[in-house]
Amino acid sequence: QVQLVESGGGLVKPGGSLRLSCAASGFTFSDYYMSWIRQAPGKGLEWVSYISSSGSTIYYADSVKGRFTISRDNAKNSLYLQMNSLRAEDTAVYYCARIPGPADYWGQGTLVTVSS
Amino acid sequence: EIVLTQSPGTLSLSPGERATLSCRASQSVSSSYLAWYQQKPGQAPRLLIYGASSRATGIPDRFSGSGSGTDFTLTISRLEPEDFAVYYCQQYGSSPWRFGQGTKVEIK
Repeated sequence: QVQLVESGGGLVKPGGSLRLSCAASGFTFSDYYMSWIRQAPGKGLEWVSYISSSGSTIYYADSVKGRFTISRDNAKNSLYLQMNSLRAEDTAVYYCARIPGPADYWGQGTLVTVSS
Repeated sequence: EIVLTQSPGTLSLSPGERATLSCRASQSVSSSYLAWYQQKPGQAPRLLIYGASSRATGIPDRFSGSGSGTDFTLTISRLEPEDFAVYYCQQYGSSPWRFGQGTKVEIK
């Protein structure tokens, strides 16, 4: 069955960096677009970034453009999100999701807290 | 950029009742690329409906989606206790993909 498992979240100071990972299994990872979606505490869902199956097409939300970098390693069935210059407003649960259009499978999420 | 507005913000209903949730787009959603998700507290969202009206794998037939262009509806024909949750619509027809702000379906 399809499984997505995020890791790498934690507490970081404003201006700091963090790298999130998502390990995928149960499907042919290299066939699918993948994405990161976040949810601030008590708030709605925000699309952060997505990457095409080959990595040639990438999208970033304006709120993270220039600070976050999405990447993937198809040989390792893994998705990554490098987050730099973190701000308090980046505090959220970050979900990894598979997107053949809509997000049909989601991980359980990893919490990123940006606070001094 | 397409903005999605969901209404109502909160829907208070009893088990067995019918729920009707609305999602209105600021521009036409191409090819009805509109999805609905359900989220329960502490859980990741779950895909319910894609392509405006197609149920995702394993979704009960009490959930149905309809609409096109700028007006979309999610209907839950008879609410079960496990259906009380927050529901989000999302368009994936044009970048940036966005979610609506959500509708909470609560027990009356």
